[in-house]
Amino acid sequence: GAVVSQHPSWVICKSGTSVKIECRSLDFQATTMFWYRQFPKQSLMLMATSNEGSKATYEQGVEKDKFLINHASLTLSTLTVTSAHPEDSSFYICSARDRRLAGYNEQFFGPGTRLTVL
Amino acid sequence: AQTVTQSQPEMSVQEAETVTLSCTYDTSESDYYLFWYKQPPSRQMILVIRQEAYKQQNATENRFSVNFQKAAKSFSLKISDSQLGDAAMYFCASQVWAGSYQLTFGKGTKLSVIP
Repeated sequence: GAVVSQHPSWVICKSGTSVKIECRSLDFQATTMFWYRQFPKQSLMLMATSNEGSKATYEQGVEKDKFLINHASLTLSTLTVTSAHPEDSSFYICSARDRRLAGYNEQFFGPGTRLTVL
Repeated sequence: AQTVTQSQPEMSVQEAETVTLSCTYDTSESDYYLFWYKQPPSRQMILVIRQEAYKQQNATENRFSVNFQKAAKSFSLKISDSQLGDAAMYFCASQVWAGSYQLTFGKGTKLSVIP
């Protein structure tokens, strides 16, 4: 149980294009999903918190118009990198909290998406 | 604001030996949680062990145990009988209620296991 998938696992795109990354909770409903960014040999940096049916909350310094997050259902959140540039190349990871496990605070992580912008 | 500090960028251990990874944290909250996550080369984040701050007893999970010193805000991870599969990045993380239980990660420690 508690499996989170991400699609695609890797993507290469041209500068100026937009890329959508999907995060799905496969066997549970996620009250909240989180999006992280990880540069090589660095830690995870929280980009935004996504709650189903409401607007995402972005961390300071993260451009909300560039990184669009949509949490349309309890099992799906999407991150769209708009007008991607080479500096957006990174490893993007999502995680999710199981709504049934109130008070149990584990986040379940997806396998990540490697984005390369040429 | 929460901060998590891992002062050991890299560590190594002989197979079958014991190694301790250090972590200190800072929080003004009284209710919080602490975690150790493992990130192998596949980059999939794996929960190793979890500690609730209100529990005095140190958490253990098979070969993994923690030394939780609340007053010192220290949360070290001990890996016993190290195995080759333990080689990975290890991240210490804290979690408080901030509307959504966000995780704050340390910079990580790269653990190598020497056969």
